[in-house]
Amino acid sequence: DGGITQSPKYLFRKEGQNVTLSCEQNLNHDAMYWYRQDPGQGLRLIYYSQIVNDFQKGDIAEGYSVSREKKESFPLTVTSAQKNPTAFYLCASSEETEWGAAISYEQYFGPGTRLTVT
Amino acid sequence: AQKITQTQPGMFVQEKEAVTLDCTYDTSDQSYGLFWYKQPSSGEMIFLIYQGSYDEQNATEGRYSLNFQKARKSANLVISASQLGDSAMYFCAMRHYGQNFVFGPGTRLSVLP
Repeated sequence: DGGITQSPKYLFRKEGQNVTLSCEQNLNHDAMYWYRQDPGQGLRLIYYSQIVNDFQKGDIAEGYSVSREKKESFPLTVTSAQKNPTAFYLCASSEETEWGAAISYEQYFGPGTRLTVT
Repeated sequence: AQKITQTQPGMFVQEKEAVTLDCTYDTSDQSYGLFWYKQPSSGEMIFLIYQGSYDEQNATEGRYSLNFQKARKSANLVISASQLGDSAMYFCAMRHYGQNFVFGPGTRLSVLP
């Protein structure tokens, strides 16, 4: 079955430590995204990538970093510079023949990682 | 700036009844796509339905239909014959050419037995 996997489901870290969240997709999608969701709120875009070895900052990129070395993988690192890292993180992908050429392509989401930093 | 508004933080509906979840949007573009997603307590976002701004017919997918009123800039989701499994957060989203998705704040739907 095709889909997006995120691991782990729950992650606990001490303040001051960097942590990397995994996101893997086998849908052969070009575009991948990282969102942050805080309790009772909508999704905010952290980073996105249209193609391998290329990525752009979203609305709240400060304190986060990403890489896109392979088409199927888009890991997110939450650095110690992120002031309030505790949140639910969702990874998504979508089919894009060329950027924005089709607005009808929905995003497919992974199950999410709940990060708690104490 | 593009923005999605969902004015109902929470909604209740009796099982087997229909419910409408409101979504209004702000855009100056003529071409855009509108999406609805469901987020159960497990956290995963599930795509429900899509409506293109130039689609003349309202989109339908099983028990889901989208009441699209372009002049009013509204794209309300209608769920018919509600089931207990419909209890979840529902997000309206919009996309323009060359731009990322914009999500609304969501509506929490609770289906009562």
